[in-house]
Amino acid sequence: QQQVKQSPQSLIVQKGGISIINCAYENTAFDYFPWYQQFPGKGPALLIAIRPDVSEKKEGRFTISFNKSAKQFSLHIMDSQPGDSATYFCAASINTGTASKLTFGTGTRLQVTL
Amino acid sequence: ETGVTQTPRHLVMGMTNKKSLKCEQHLGHNAMYWYKQSAKKPLELMFVYNFKEQTENNSVPSRFSPECPNSSHLFLHLHTLQPEDSALYLCASRRGLTASGELFFGEGSRLTVL
Repeated sequence: QQQVKQSPQSLIVQKGGISIINCAYENTAFDYFPWYQQFPGKGPALLIAIRPDVSEKKEGRFTISFNKSAKQFSLHIMDSQPGDSATYFCAASINTGTASKLTFGTGTRLQVTL
Repeated sequence: ETGVTQTPRHLVMGMTNKKSLKCEQHLGHNAMYWYKQSAKKPLELMFVYNFKEQTENNSVPSRFSPECPNSSHLFLHLHTLQPEDSALYLCASRRGLTASGELFFGEGSRLTVL
């Protein structure tokens, strides 16, 4: 129940295209859904996050779409650029009262080609 | 620069060696974390410290021994490791244990066990 399933494992998109990464969860107690971006040789960094009371959040070219009834959320990268080539992790957080615990997906390696 | 610094960045050790990983955060955060990152797996939470007190040990083998002398510093002492322990070890910090906000990661220590 604590798992977050992420797909695809890897993705190749042409420059200017749309990159879409999907995640699904089971535990309806999750209350915060961040996406982290990790470049080679770097640690993950927060990219964008959403709470379950909204269906979409947009920051520049990055959009999270959230479907509460389906227990799914996705990251859309519009006008993908070579500089977006990185590994993307979705995550889900649950607050137990004494701690906020993050569960990560397995990651999607995105390559944006020229 | 995320405000979380990890040293060394790379470490090669034999199975009988003893070594330590160091993490320092300059963000004034109270919670610090050790994660293990292996290829094609979700980030695995190892240990959590809050105000230098350990609050979580995620069934980590005793060959990994954490130490948190203060809220800014976190160590991971390593001894008699196995080749399967080879991975990227990430330190992270957050404002507080119950804050569902951003985790700030260091760049990681790449560990190879021969």
